Amino acid sequence: DVKVTQSSRYLVKRTGEKVFLECVQDMDHENMFWYRQDPGLGLRLIYFSYDVKMKEKGDIPEGYSVSREKKERFSLILESASTNQTSMYLCASSIGPRGGSYNEQFFGPGTRLTVL
Amino acid sequence: ILNVEQSPQSLHVQEGDSTNFTCSFPSSNFYALHWYRWETAKSPEALFVMTLNGDEKKKGRISATLNTKEGYSYLYIKGSQPEDSATYLCAFLGDDKIIFGKGTRLHILP
Repeated sequence: DVKVTQSSRYLVKRTGEKVFLECVQDMDHENMFWYRQDPGLGLRLIYFSYDVKMKEKGDIPEGYSVSREKKERFSLILESASTNQTSMYLCASSIGPRGGSYNEQFFGPGTRLTVL
Repeated sequence: ILNVEQSPQSLHVQEGDSTNFTCSFPSSNFYALHWYRWETAKSPEALFVMTLNGDEKKKGRISATLNTKEGYSYLYIKGSQPEDSATYLCAFLGDDKIIFGKGTRLHILP
């Protein structure tokens, strides 16, 4: 079974802190994604990556950056956390190559981040 | 602005009844339409990946249809069971775009 794990289920940080959210998948998937989920809104894509060291902006990249140094790991970084980044963050992966990025996505359990 | 609409937002269905709900999406630059089931305290799980106009897919009591020309997909659940209670998400995949709907929250009443 594909497994996507996220480093924390719950996280509380203070405004201005640098926050790292880690995601690891164990099925050698090329594609990895970061979303946030807020009440009344659909999953919104923050960043995605089709390959190691490659990243592309999604719909709401402002305030975030990402890192993909290894194929299995995709990190979301909040350089200076703000209260409006309080949200549920979901990581996902899918089989590549890029042309096959339309394959089903496998999601992690989510990290509920609260920024005080 | 590309938009994916799901209706209804919320639905209460008696156990044993059948139900369906809708996902509307842009009819241009279409590559795929995904359906996911998201149960409380779990991760979203893929139900269907649909790519061709006229596609019909089935998994047990759940099935889905796709009309890419008019931009809609229906999800059907036959003989609802308590374990069907979940939020059902659809996702439009277009030209380097992935857009999720807000979901339909399904409650099965015993």
